[in-house]
Amino acid sequence: EVQLVESGGGLVQPGKSLRLSCAASGFTFSTYWMTWVRQAPGKGLEWVATIKQDGSTKYYGDSVKGRFTISRDNAKGSLYLQLDSLKFEDTGVYFCARRVGRALCDYWGLGTLVTVSS
Amino acid sequence: QSVLTQPPSASGTPGQRVTISCSGGNSNVGNNAVHWYQQFPGAAPRLLTYYNDQRPSGVPDRFSGSKSGTSASLAISGLQSEDEADYYCAAWDDRLNGLLFGGGTKLTVL
Repeated sequence: EVQLVESGGGLVQPGKSLRLSCAASGFTFSTYWMTWVRQAPGKGLEWVATIKQDGSTKYYGDSVKGRFTISRDNAKGSLYLQLDSLKFEDTGVYFCARRVGRALCDYWGLGTLVTVSS
Repeated sequence: QSVLTQPPSASGTPGQRVTISCSGGNSNVGNNAVHWYQQFPGAAPRLLTYYNDQRPSGVPDRFSGSKSGTSASLAISGLQSEDEADYYCAAWDDRLNGLLFGGGTKLTVL
């Protein structure tokens, strides 16, 4: 059974950093692209970042480019998102998802909540 | 404001057929596949239809997707109370080189 479990969310001040993790199981992690998507409270889904199987190619949404970094450790079956220079508008639930097509994600985690507040 | 435009709300009575639209442009819907996700409050999104009109196993055939030009639609027939949820379309955008989501449509079953 495919499982994605996010962790690392919490309350953080503006300008600070946070590192999110996503533990994958039930599939061969190293053979899939992976994606982070976020959702602000009461708002819609917003794509954050995507990474290729070997980590050699990464794509970022405009609102996080230059501040967030996606990475992965295939040996550990884990996906990461480093959030730097956090802003109030980065508040939301962050989901990791398995990507099987350019805009197609077939499995999603339950998400981890990031709250940016002073 | 999303580049993929969906109506913010839709509604229907049990048994009815409801359609949710998703309007884009040549760089996204017009040139790439459209996928639809269903999301209940407090839950993760769930893939509903993919590659315009395909359905994952386990999704009832009451749900169907379609695409024509720069617009796509999700149709739900035989509406049920448990269909009350938020629905999002998604497509890759060649110009932005990124994944776009529609703004979402909140479906209410009256």
